[in-house]
Amino acid sequence: GAGVSQSPRYKVAKRGQDVALRCDPISGHVSLFWYQQALGQGPEFLTYFQNEAQLDKSGLPSDRFFAERPEGSVSTLKIQRTQQEDSAVYLCASSLVLGQGSAEAFFGQGTRLTVV
Amino acid sequence: SQQGEEDPQALSIQEGENATMNCSYKTSINNLQWYRQNSGRGLVHLILIRSNEREKHSGRLRVTLDTSKKSSSLLITASRAADTASYFCATLDPGGGRALTFGSGTRLQVQP
Repeated sequence: GAGVSQSPRYKVAKRGQDVALRCDPISGHVSLFWYQQALGQGPEFLTYFQNEAQLDKSGLPSDRFFAERPEGSVSTLKIQRTQQEDSAVYLCASSLVLGQGSAEAFFGQGTRLTVV
Repeated sequence: SQQGEEDPQALSIQEGENATMNCSYKTSINNLQWYRQNSGRGLVHLILIRSNEREKHSGRLRVTLDTSKKSSSLLITASRAADTASYFCATLDPGGGRALTFGSGTRLQVQP
C-alpha cells in the first residue's frame, strides 16, 4: 500500500475485554514499531520488530500487552484484560532500514482505544 | 519516559509570522528528528539533523542543533493556517535501542 495502515481506527472496549490492533506496514519495510500516545503527550515506545523478530519489547507496560509479526509484514498488538489506563492512541510505524536512526519512520494514523 | 522536552508547550501566532519551537534532551544522541502531527492523525517526518550538523534547512523549515547544550530548535517561517499541528522532537540514543524517543510536543496554532 501507499502508507502504513492501521485498523480499526477507533475501538471502544469494556474493561476486562481483550483487544487486537492491526498494523499493515509499507511493503518491504524491515523495521516495525509500536508506540502508545496518551492525550496531550508524545508517543512512548512499546516494542520493535526487525522482520519477524521482536528485538525490543522493553516498552510494553505489562504482561497484558503482547505483539507479534509472524511473517515479517503485518503486526498485531494484543492487549488482554484491558484497563482504563490502557486508553490511548496506539501508533504503528515502519522503516525501510534497521531501526529509526538514519531514515524517516512512516507512521500510521493510529488506533484510538477507549476502555470504558 | 520521554527524552525530549519541547518549549513552549503551546504557541499561538498569526498567519505570516514565524514560529520557533525548542527541544532539550538529556543523553547523547545519534541524530534528532522533528515530526508533525495533525489532530487525530499519525506523525509525519519533517527533518533529520545528525549530531555532527549544526543547521539544516528544508523549505520553510530551519532546524538548529547545539549538542553542547543538548538542545534543538525548529523555526517555521511565514507560517500558514495549515501549519497548525503538534510538533515533536525525537532522538535516537547511540548507546540504546533502535527506536526513537519523543518529547511531549509543542501545540502550534496559526490564526488565519
